[in-house]
Amino acid sequence: GENVEQHPSTLSVQEGDSAVIKCTYSDSASNYFPWYKQELGKGPQLIIDIRSNVGEKKDQRIAVTLNKTAKHFSLHITETQPEDSAVYFCAAAGGGADGLTFGKGTHLIIQP
Amino acid sequence: GAVVSQHPSWVICKSGTSVKIECRSLDFQATTMFWYRQFPKQSLMLMATSNEGSKATYEQGVEKDKFLINHASLTLSTLTVTSAHPEDSSFYICSARTGGRGTFFGQGTRLTVV
Repeated sequence: GENVEQHPSTLSVQEGDSAVIKCTYSDSASNYFPWYKQELGKGPQLIIDIRSNVGEKKDQRIAVTLNKTAKHFSLHITETQPEDSAVYFCAAAGGGADGLTFGKGTHLIIQP
Repeated sequence: GAVVSQHPSWVICKSGTSVKIECRSLDFQATTMFWYRQFPKQSLMLMATSNEGSKATYEQGVEKDKFLINHASLTLSTLTVTSAHPEDSSFYICSARTGGRGTFFGQGTRLTVV
């Protein structure tokens, strides 16, 4: 089955700086890669996703890049703000009805 | 994005009793929903895939007789934790896949078995 590795487990950045979280996946058949933000005691919130036919996608301060050959994808957050502090999960899924396989999460801390 | 509503948000039950958690897709139909379990400071672990009108598919190691899943309509899936024990205490989260807008999660249910 699919295996998703996520790094780093904790990331602390100064407010206003950029944050980058990286994930790798093992199954070359995976074609959908979402990123979720989870705040304490809440369900994960989809913040951006990318499909395997696209190399990069951007939504305001958030961008995701995908390298299919290397089987890795990254989340980039620019101009970080205190409200960006949360746990971020990457995930991967195939084209069928399979559920998402999640990375272990990154605790992002924005220092004021 | 799409809206997935999960109820209740938290529940406390006595050991040996059963608890039902509901997951509803509010603005779309979901032929497939997913149930996850999350321990503190850990990632989400897929428990089972809920298929409308058919039996759920359980991940390896998940007891299907303990975690009963029913997906009776295109907008509702339920997870029943039967004969709950303290080790079943956890955060349970459902998700639903939309036609092309991604997978969205419910708010989660904090289950505490005392």
